[in-house]
Amino acid sequence: GAGVSQTPSNKVTEKGKYVELRCDPISGHTALYWYRQSLGQGPEFLIYFQGTGAADDSGLPNDRFFAVRPEGSVSTLKIQRTERGDSAVYLCASSKQREGEQYFGPGTRLTVT
Amino acid sequence: AQSVTQLDSQVPVFEEAPVELRCNYSSSVSVYLFWYVQYPNQGLQLLLKYLSGSTLVKGINGFEAEFNKSQTSFHLRKPSVHISDTAEYFCAVMGNRGAQKLVFGQGTRLTINP
Repeated sequence: GAGVSQTPSNKVTEKGKYVELRCDPISGHTALYWYRQSLGQGPEFLIYFQGTGAADDSGLPNDRFFAVRPEGSVSTLKIQRTERGDSAVYLCASSKQREGEQYFGPGTRLTVT
Repeated sequence: AQSVTQLDSQVPVFEEAPVELRCNYSSSVSVYLFWYVQYPNQGLQLLLKYLSGSTLVKGINGFEAEFNKSQTSFHLRKPSVHISDTAEYFCAVMGNRGAQKLVFGQGTRLTINP
C-alpha cells in the first residue's frame, strides 16, 4: 500500500518568504507527526496531531511555525517569514494508534537563501 | 523529558565483521525504545523496537538490540554485516505515558568496507 507522502520533495525560497509543506499520511492513521532534521543531526519533534487537533505542539520553535490538519488526514506545515536557520529536512510520520510504530515519509528539503 | 546519546558518530567495519552501535538514554519515566535506519536518499525505516517483555529484541535484516534498564542502554548489534548495511542509524526513545513524540539521538554513520 501507499506510504506517507510529502510534497514538495525540495523547496528553495528566499529569506522572509512564506512556505507550506504538505504531508499525506497512510490511510486510516489517526496520529500524525512533524519532525525537523538539520544536517548531521537526528530528527527533532515539532508537533503531533491526534485526529484534527494538535495534541502536542511543544516542539514548534517559535510563532512563525504553524501546522493544521483540518479533516484529520492531510496536514500542512506553514512557516512565515522564513530565515536561513529554517533550512532543514522536514519529516512527516503517521501511526495507526497512539503508541503504534511511526511510519516516515521521504521528507521535504527546505533551503532558505 | 527524555534524551538519547549515541556514543559514536561514525563506525567503520569490514564486511562480514560483527558490529555494535551504542545508545544510552535518560528518562524520568518508563520508556519505549527504537532503532531506525536511514539509507542514502531514503526515509527513516524502523529496524526494531522494545515496548515490554523480553529485553532482547530482534529486528529486520539480522539486527538485534538488548534493553538494559540498569545501564539505561539499548545497543544495536549484528553478527555479520554486509555492504548493503551502509547507512545512518538512529536510536530513539518515547515516554510510555503522555507525550507520543520520539526523541532521537544524533545518529551513527555505519560504513562497511570490503
